[in-house]
Amino acid sequence: QKEVEQDPGPLSVPEGAIVSLNCTYSNSAFQYFMWYRQYSRKGPELLMYTYSSGNKEDGRFTAQVDKSSKYISLFIRDSQPSDSATYLCAMWKFAPGTYKYIFGTGTRLKVLA
Amino acid sequence: ETGVTQTPRHLVMGMTNKKSLKCEQHLGHNAMYWYKQSAKKPLELMFVYSLEERVENNSVPSRFSPECPNSSHLFLHLHTLQPEDSALYLCASSQDPGNTIYFGEGSWLTVV
Repeated sequence: QKEVEQDPGPLSVPEGAIVSLNCTYSNSAFQYFMWYRQYSRKGPELLMYTYSSGNKEDGRFTAQVDKSSKYISLFIRDSQPSDSATYLCAMWKFAPGTYKYIFGTGTRLKVLA
Repeated sequence: ETGVTQTPRHLVMGMTNKKSLKCEQHLGHNAMYWYKQSAKKPLELMFVYSLEERVENNSVPSRFSPECPNSSHLFLHLHTLQPEDSALYLCASSQDPGNTIYFGEGSWLTVV
Protein backbone atom coordinates (compact mmCIF):
# COMPACT_ATOMS: atom_id res chain seq x y z
CA GLN A 1 0.00 0.00 0.00
CA LYS A 2 1.31 3.44 -0.93
CA GLU A 3 1.83 5.83 1.95
CA VAL A 4 -0.13 8.53 0.14
CA GLU A 5 -2.83 8.05 -2.49
CA GLN A 6 -3.93 10.83 -4.79
CA ASP A 7 -6.16 10.57 -7.85
CA PRO A 8 -4.09 11.76 -10.84
CA GLY A 9 -7.12 13.13 -12.71
CA PRO A 10 -7.41 15.05 -14.93
CA LEU A 11 -10.29 16.79 -13.23
CA SER A 12 -12.16 19.20 -15.51
CA VAL A 13 -14.59 21.74 -14.06
CA PRO A 14 -16.35 24.85 -15.40
CA GLU A 15 -15.20 28.27 -14.26
CA GLY A 16 -16.79 29.26 -10.96
CA ALA A 17 -17.20 25.70 -9.70
CA ILE A 18 -16.11 24.51 -6.29
CA VAL A 19 -13.21 22.09 -6.64
CA SER A 20 -12.41 19.35 -4.16
CA LEU A 21 -8.99 17.71 -4.26
CA ASN A 22 -8.18 14.85 -1.91
CA CYS A 23 -5.45 12.62 -0.57
CA THR A 24 -5.60 9.60 1.69
CA TYR A 25 -2.69 8.33 3.71
CA SER A 26 -1.86 5.24 5.67
CA ASN A 27 0.53 6.39 8.41
CA SER A 28 -1.29 7.91 11.36
CA ALA A 29 1.99 9.47 12.57
CA PHE A 30 1.88 12.22 9.94
CA GLN A 31 1.45 15.58 11.63
CA TYR A 32 2.11 18.22 8.99
CA PHE A 33 0.15 18.49 5.77
CA MET A 34 0.84 20.68 2.77
CA TRP A 35 -0.66 21.44 -0.60
CA TYR A 36 1.50 22.57 -3.48
CA ARG A 37 0.42 23.92 -6.86
CA GLN A 38 2.56 23.20 -9.88
CA TYR A 39 2.03 24.89 -13.21
CA SER A 40 3.26 23.15 -16.33
CA ARG A 41 7.07 23.15 -16.58
CA LYS A 42 7.44 25.05 -13.28
CA GLY A 43 8.46 24.07 -9.77
CA PRO A 44 5.84 23.35 -7.07
CA GLU A 45 4.60 26.38 -5.15
CA LEU A 46 3.44 26.06 -1.54
CA LEU A 47 -0.27 26.88 -1.23
CA MET A 48 -1.36 25.74 2.21
CA TYR A 49 0.29 24.34 5.30
CA THR A 50 -1.63 22.79 8.17
CA TYR A 51 -0.84 21.09 11.41
CA SER A 52 -3.49 18.99 13.19
CA SER A 53 -7.06 18.30 12.22
CA GLY A 54 -9.54 20.94 11.17
CA ASN A 55 -9.88 23.60 8.51
CA LYS A 56 -7.59 26.38 7.41
CA GLU A 57 -8.76 29.05 5.02
CA ASP A 58 -6.76 31.38 2.80
CA GLY A 59 -8.76 33.40 0.29
CA ARG A 60 -10.49 31.02 -2.10
CA PHE A 61 -8.58 28.03 -0.73
CA THR A 62 -9.54 25.86 2.25
CA ALA A 63 -7.40 23.00 3.50
CA GLN A 64 -9.10 20.34 5.59
CA VAL A 65 -7.47 17.58 7.63
CA ASP A 66 -9.34 14.61 9.09
CA LYS A 67 -6.78 12.58 11.01
CA SER A 68 -9.31 10.02 12.19
CA SER A 69 -10.04 9.11 8.57
CA LYS A 70 -6.49 9.79 7.35
CA TYR A 71 -7.89 12.08 4.70
CA ILE A 72 -6.93 15.58 3.61
CA SER A 73 -8.71 17.88 1.19
CA LEU A 74 -8.14 21.14 -0.63
CA PHE A 75 -11.22 23.11 -1.67
CA ILE A 76 -11.06 25.87 -4.25
CA ARG A 77 -14.04 28.21 -4.37
CA ASP A 78 -15.00 30.23 -7.46
CA SER A 79 -12.42 28.37 -9.52
CA GLN A 80 -10.67 30.30 -12.28
CA PRO A 81 -8.87 29.18 -15.47
CA SER A 82 -5.67 30.38 -13.78
CA ASP A 83 -6.18 27.63 -11.19
CA SER A 84 -5.50 25.04 -13.90
CA ALA A 85 -2.42 23.22 -12.63
CA THR A 86 -1.32 20.03 -10.90
CA TYR A 87 -1.97 19.99 -7.15
CA LEU A 88 0.35 17.94 -4.96
CA CYS A 89 -0.38 16.93 -1.41
CA ALA A 90 2.54 16.35 0.92
CA MET A 91 2.93 15.26 4.51
CA TRP A 92 5.62 14.79 7.10
CA LYS A 93 6.08 13.38 10.55
CA PHE A 94 8.58 14.60 13.06
CA ALA A 95 11.19 12.06 14.04
CA PRO A 96 14.89 12.59 14.79
CA GLY A 97 16.84 12.29 11.60
CA THR A 98 13.72 12.23 9.44
CA TYR A 99 13.67 14.81 6.69
CA LYS A 100 11.50 13.11 4.18
CA TYR A 101 8.30 14.63 2.94
CA ILE A 102 5.92 12.12 1.41
CA PHE A 103 4.29 13.48 -1.74
CA GLY A 104 1.23 12.37 -3.63
CA THR A 105 1.51 11.90 -7.38
CA GLY A 106 -0.54 15.04 -7.98
CA THR A 107 -4.00 15.75 -9.39
CA ARG A 108 -4.18 17.62 -12.66
CA LEU A 109 -6.96 20.23 -12.63
CA LYS A 110 -8.42 21.99 -15.66
CA VAL A 111 -10.80 24.90 -15.14
CA LEU A 112 -12.67 25.62 -18.33
CA ALA A 113 -13.59 29.20 -19.24
CA GLU B 1 13.69 37.46 -7.82
CA THR B 2 12.46 34.09 -6.68
CA GLY B 3 13.66 32.61 -3.39
CA VAL B 4 15.28 29.55 -4.99
CA THR B 5 16.91 29.87 -8.40
CA GLN B 6 18.15 27.02 -10.56
CA THR B 7 20.37 26.97 -13.63
CA PRO B 8 20.26 25.85 -16.31
CA ARG B 9 16.51 25.56 -16.83
CA HIS B 10 17.00 23.07 -19.64
CA LEU B 11 19.88 20.71 -20.32
CA VAL B 12 20.43 18.07 -22.98
CA MET B 13 23.43 15.83 -22.46
CA GLY B 14 24.88 12.68 -23.90
CA MET B 15 25.48 9.61 -21.80
CA THR B 16 29.23 10.23 -21.71
CA ASN B 17 29.04 13.92 -20.81
CA LYS B 18 29.71 15.58 -17.48
CA LYS B 19 27.51 18.50 -16.49
CA SER B 20 26.35 20.25 -13.33
CA LEU B 21 23.09 21.71 -12.09
CA LYS B 22 23.29 24.76 -9.86
CA CYS B 23 20.93 26.01 -7.19
CA GLU B 24 21.03 29.17 -5.08
CA GLN B 25 18.62 30.13 -2.32
CA HIS B 26 18.08 33.71 -1.14
CA LEU B 27 15.90 32.88 1.86
CA GLY B 28 18.51 32.51 4.56
CA HIS B 29 17.59 28.86 5.01
CA ASN B 30 19.83 26.24 6.55
CA ALA B 31 18.65 23.17 4.63
CA MET B 32 18.75 22.43 0.92
CA TYR B 33 17.40 19.49 -1.08
CA TRP B 34 17.53 17.83 -4.47
CA TYR B 35 14.36 16.14 -5.72
CA LYS B 36 13.70 14.23 -8.94
CA GLN B 37 10.31 14.49 -10.62
CA SER B 38 9.41 11.98 -13.34
CA ALA B 39 6.12 11.70 -15.20
CA LYS B 40 3.33 10.04 -13.20
CA LYS B 41 5.59 9.41 -10.20
CA PRO B 42 5.71 11.12 -6.82
CA LEU B 43 8.55 13.49 -6.12
CA GLU B 44 11.64 11.49 -5.15
CA LEU B 45 13.96 12.92 -2.51
CA MET B 46 17.60 12.52 -3.57
CA PHE B 47 19.75 14.45 -1.11
CA VAL B 48 19.38 16.67 1.94
CA TYR B 49 21.99 19.09 3.25
CA SER B 50 21.83 20.85 6.58
CA LEU B 51 24.38 23.62 7.14
CA GLU B 52 26.49 22.24 4.30
CA GLU B 53 26.52 18.74 5.76
CA ARG B 54 24.81 15.93 3.89
CA VAL B 55 22.23 14.42 6.22
CA GLU B 56 20.40 12.13 3.84
CA ASN B 57 21.32 10.27 0.70
CA ASN B 58 18.27 8.45 -0.48
CA SER B 59 19.94 5.51 -2.28
CA VAL B 60 20.87 7.60 -5.27
CA PRO B 61 23.24 6.12 -7.90
CA SER B 62 26.79 7.42 -7.73
CA ARG B 63 26.47 8.99 -11.18
CA PHE B 64 24.72 11.81 -9.28
CA SER B 65 27.12 13.66 -7.02
CA PRO B 66 25.92 16.56 -4.85
CA GLU B 67 28.04 19.40 -3.53
CA CYS B 68 27.11 22.05 -0.99
CA PRO B 69 29.92 24.62 -0.60
CA ASN B 70 27.84 26.87 1.68
CA SER B 71 24.30 27.11 2.99
CA SER B 72 23.14 29.18 0.00
CA HIS B 73 24.49 27.08 -2.85
CA LEU B 74 23.90 23.52 -3.95
CA PHE B 75 25.18 21.66 -6.99
CA LEU B 76 24.32 18.35 -8.58
CA HIS B 77 27.17 16.97 -10.66
CA LEU B 78 26.10 14.57 -13.39
CA HIS B 79 28.24 12.02 -15.22
CA THR B 80 27.60 8.95 -17.37
CA LEU B 81 23.86 9.30 -16.99
CA GLN B 82 21.27 6.99 -18.52
CA PRO B 83 18.23 7.93 -20.63
CA GLU B 84 15.97 6.96 -17.70
CA ASP B 85 17.58 9.77 -15.71
CA SER B 86 15.75 12.27 -17.92
CA ALA B 87 13.45 14.18 -15.57
CA LEU B 88 12.79 17.48 -13.86
CA TYR B 89 15.34 18.06 -11.10
CA LEU B 90 14.08 20.33 -8.39
CA CYS B 91 16.12 22.14 -5.80
CA ALA B 92 14.41 23.22 -2.59
CA SER B 93 15.27 24.84 0.72
CA SER B 94 13.78 25.11 4.19
CA GLN B 95 14.66 26.95 7.36
CA ASP B 96 15.81 23.70 8.90
CA PRO B 97 15.46 20.06 7.80
CA GLY B 98 11.82 19.09 8.04
CA ASN B 99 10.39 22.61 7.97
CA THR B 100 8.23 23.77 5.08
CA ILE B 101 10.18 23.47 1.87
CA TYR B 102 10.24 25.94 -0.99
CA PHE B 103 11.07 24.78 -4.48
CA GLY B 104 12.95 26.33 -7.35
CA GLU B 105 11.66 26.30 -10.92
CA GLY B 106 13.53 23.12 -11.75
CA SER B 107 16.05 22.02 -14.34
CA TRP B 108 14.69 19.90 -17.19
CA LEU B 109 17.26 17.25 -18.02
CA THR B 110 17.20 15.14 -21.15
CA VAL B 111 19.78 12.38 -21.56
CA VAL B 112 20.30 11.23 -25.13
